[in-house]
Amino acid sequence: VQLVESGGGVVQPGRSLRLSCAGSGFTFTTYAFHWVRQAPGKGLEWVASISSDLPDKWYADSVKGRFNVSRDNSRNTIYLQMNSLTTDDTAKYHCARSYGDHDGFDFWGQGTMVAVSS
Amino acid sequence: SYEMTQPPSVSVSPGQTARITCSGDALPDKYAYWYQQKSGQAPVLVMFEDSKRPSGIPERFSGSSSGTVATLTISGAQVEDEADYHCYSTDRSGLQRVFGGGTKLTVI
Repeated sequence: VQLVESGGGVVQPGRSLRLSCAGSGFTFTTYAFHWVRQAPGKGLEWVASISSDLPDKWYADSVKGRFNVSRDNSRNTIYLQMNSLTTDDTAKYHCARSYGDHDGFDFWGQGTMVAVSS
Repeated sequence: SYEMTQPPSVSVSPGQTARITCSGDALPDKYAYWYQQKSGQAPVLVMFEDSKRPSGIPERFSGSSSGTVATLTISGAQVEDEADYHCYSTDRSGLQRVFGGGTKLTVI
């Protein structure tokens, strides 16, 4: 099982960035996926989730209206489109999977770092 | 918004029992999950649905939940158990997903 995030980097405030998370070694379509971030020296913060089908999406209040989560089952990949970035969005972003839409996460990727700075 | 509370730090000697608590108003109705995160690494699931241990997690790890408090217990803590531990659950609606603030476990 692997979840590999990519797309992080340094970006100016107000700009956009798109993160990707590629899954392998399991049946991608049967899982819900989540983005969780961790600012330097801080705890974990749930950011967004996307269900295994339909798909339904859920967002933390801190990113609602700015971030969009999506999935491409043909590529076994989920995405996080991040718009109107602020310095508060600086963090390592992990993707994680869960078997049920509202279950806890049973496997995490190593994460990709996003730094918002002028 | 929904919040869960953990102690910032817990310290034990090797071989002692470490207990890490997580308080949340919705815990009587929602499962707690626990994650171990060692420095620079991704979190690892060590307990799910309050008290179920994933395969590969040592038997010294156990979990319980009573009322508004979930507890992760490490019986006979080892030096390699030093890590940050994060609890996770949801609010009663299931829509807001929340982590506790994390607890730094020191085994010295």
